[in-house]
Amino acid sequence: NAGVTQTPKFRVLKTGQSMTLLCAQDMNHEYMYWYRQDPGMGLRLIHYSVGEGTTAKGEVPDGYNVSRLKKQNFLLGLESAAPSQTSVYFCASSRDRSYEQYFGPGTRLTVT
Amino acid sequence: AQSVTQPDIHITVSEGASLELRCNYSYGATPYLFWYVQSPGQGLQLLLKYFSGDTLVQGIKGFEAEFKRSQSSFNLRKPSVHWSDAAEYFCAVGPSGFQKLVFGTGTRLLVSP
Repeated sequence: NAGVTQTPKFRVLKTGQSMTLLCAQDMNHEYMYWYRQDPGMGLRLIHYSVGEGTTAKGEVPDGYNVSRLKKQNFLLGLESAAPSQTSVYFCASSRDRSYEQYFGPGTRLTVT
Repeated sequence: AQSVTQPDIHITVSEGASLELRCNYSYGATPYLFWYVQSPGQGLQLLLKYFSGDTLVQGIKGFEAEFKRSQSSFNLRKPSVHWSDAAEYFCAVGPSGFQKLVFGTGTRLLVSP
């Protein structure tokens, strides 16, 4: 039982490049979330999903897109990376809205 | 909109001493309240949560937190800190459960020998 895994762990992009971050969970959770963590700002919700095939915007969705084609996977895409997107990205999942969120180990992204 | 304030960016505590980390929230009603811990290079782990009922909540690793409605606070405490408690601690507010949590900016705990 791996819990929540994230791929890749580290990535460096040039401005304007695109990439996709993959989050996978093996707990059969309905809800999945993408957060970004920046120094002095805590975690901020980017997008979330309440079930397969659904997505919704969080607090800071601009510049990101997501997809939840399979229940166990939640993809975060950056179509044209900007230096302001340099951050540590965390994925989380929960059984439903009333249960705790389980976090992945994070992806450190640097955009130069 | 709801918000969470953790006024202490860093705290240093001697091993064996007691610990209190402060958390204040702003929300119209009583929200769901949480404390998470993040060890270096790791994701977040839930320490404890408050939904309703007894205002003193027990969590994992010997931590507890007390909800004080009159002060809009949810401070985290531990009677005796261990070196392994050195980490960053986040308070979070969930107006409707765990969905769409709002996190504080975190408090980094350093434990001195």
